Amino acid sequence: GAGVSQTPSNKVTEKGKYVELRCDPISGHTALYWYRQSLGQGPEFLIYFQGTGAADDSGLPNDRFFAVRPEGSVSTLKIQRTERGDSAVYLCASSLTSNYEQFFGPGTRLTVL
Amino acid sequence: AQRVTQPEKLLSVFKGAPVELKCNYSYSGSPELFWYVQYSRQRLQLLLRHISRESIKGFTADLNKGETSFHLKKPFAQEEDSAMYYCARPFEAGNNRKLIWGLGTSLAVNP
Repeated sequence: GAGVSQTPSNKVTEKGKYVELRCDPISGHTALYWYRQSLGQGPEFLIYFQGTGAADDSGLPNDRFFAVRPEGSVSTLKIQRTERGDSAVYLCASSLTSNYEQFFGPGTRLTVL
Repeated sequence: AQRVTQPEKLLSVFKGAPVELKCNYSYSGSPELFWYVQYSRQRLQLLLRHISRESIKGFTADLNKGETSFHLKKPFAQEEDSAMYYCARPFEAGNNRKLIWGLGTSLAVNP
């Protein structure tokens, strides 16, 4: 079946703009994670959804970042007033439940000019 | 805080040589460790986990609690093993199994 998909694959925006990054998890996967990977770094946890609710958003760097998963499937990561430091690859992963292997999407490369 | 350390950013070996990618973790009870691999232009994928004790693509990794290590080994490296390798462990808080990652090691296998 189809794996985790993320759109867009690349996003270039200007400082101060608003962006939305979308994640389509594997069908039936209840757990969804967002990570951010900066150049030369490992992924860093942002937020975890179990179903529709954000069970842990402790990794969101500040209140400019927000994520939703209204129907327990697709998730959108929203970044307001983007800053150059937000430039990174944003990764989404889903798992059947939280105890199972996480499957990763290809990532969205965000560049803030 | 729980940490995963990969001391080598880059490892370069010749084809057929043994390879060992190092991973150390901060002590925490009974850890669960993973190795993920990212080939060029591909997504992150799970290579192996210590619970399953499998050998995938000739790679093995043994959890050493005394040394708090989970080094990835392969006796004879192949060019197709060239990739970025990440060691990770879940940080469990309730049902949340968010992964804590090392910085990654780039493995280059030269012909």
